[in-house]
Amino acid sequence: DAGVIQSPRHEVTEMGQEVTLRCKLISGHNSLFWYRQTMMRGLELLIYFNNNVPIDDSGMPEDRFSAKMPNASFSTLKIQPSEPRDSAVYFCASSFRVGTGELFFGEGSRLTVL
Amino acid sequence: KNEVEQSPQNLTAQEGEFITINCSYSVGISALHWLQQHPGGGIVSLFMLSSGKKKHGRLIATINIQEKHSSLHITASHPRDSAVYICAVWADKLIFGTGTRLQVFP
Repeated sequence: DAGVIQSPRHEVTEMGQEVTLRCKLISGHNSLFWYRQTMMRGLELLIYFNNNVPIDDSGMPEDRFSAKMPNASFSTLKIQPSEPRDSAVYFCASSFRVGTGELFFGEGSRLTVL
Repeated sequence: KNEVEQSPQNLTAQEGEFITINCSYSVGISALHWLQQHPGGGIVSLFMLSSGKKKHGRLIATINIQEKHSSLHITASHPRDSAVYICAVWADKLIFGTGTRLQVFP
């Protein structure tokens, strides 16, 4: 398996534009996590899914952020409209078991909002 | 006060030294993860612990559930071990420590 695959790896956009980040899970994994990393706040959990169902989205900053799992192997994180303070590295990770399973991270999507 | 505290925040060592990074937490957990992130790089899971001790190569991780404390040890450290090491606990969601930046010099 190729591991967790994220795209795009880098995105530069202007304030107000819609941004969509994508994540492909490892085959057989049933848990999916979206994280954000900034210098100021470190790593933060945004949302996680178990068996395609969102379980905890309390880390999603505001209504401009939304995440979906249209199927068991794929997820999107959307920001609309984007703002400069959304600039960060966004990681997704998957696991075969929520909480007590090993986490496998994608390489991250670096977002810069001008 | 953060629910997950790591110490030290920064650590420098000479190649070959034994290194210990500590993690204390204040919540009930079902698992603790040690993660490694190289500069500009992705995040790699080193260990997932719910009790006892695990060893992988030169890395050893221990956890004491009663004391709510975990340690990550690196034996015979090497410059390629230079990275940020992050402790994260699972308490119905993943809570991260702020990380320990390790630099190992030749």
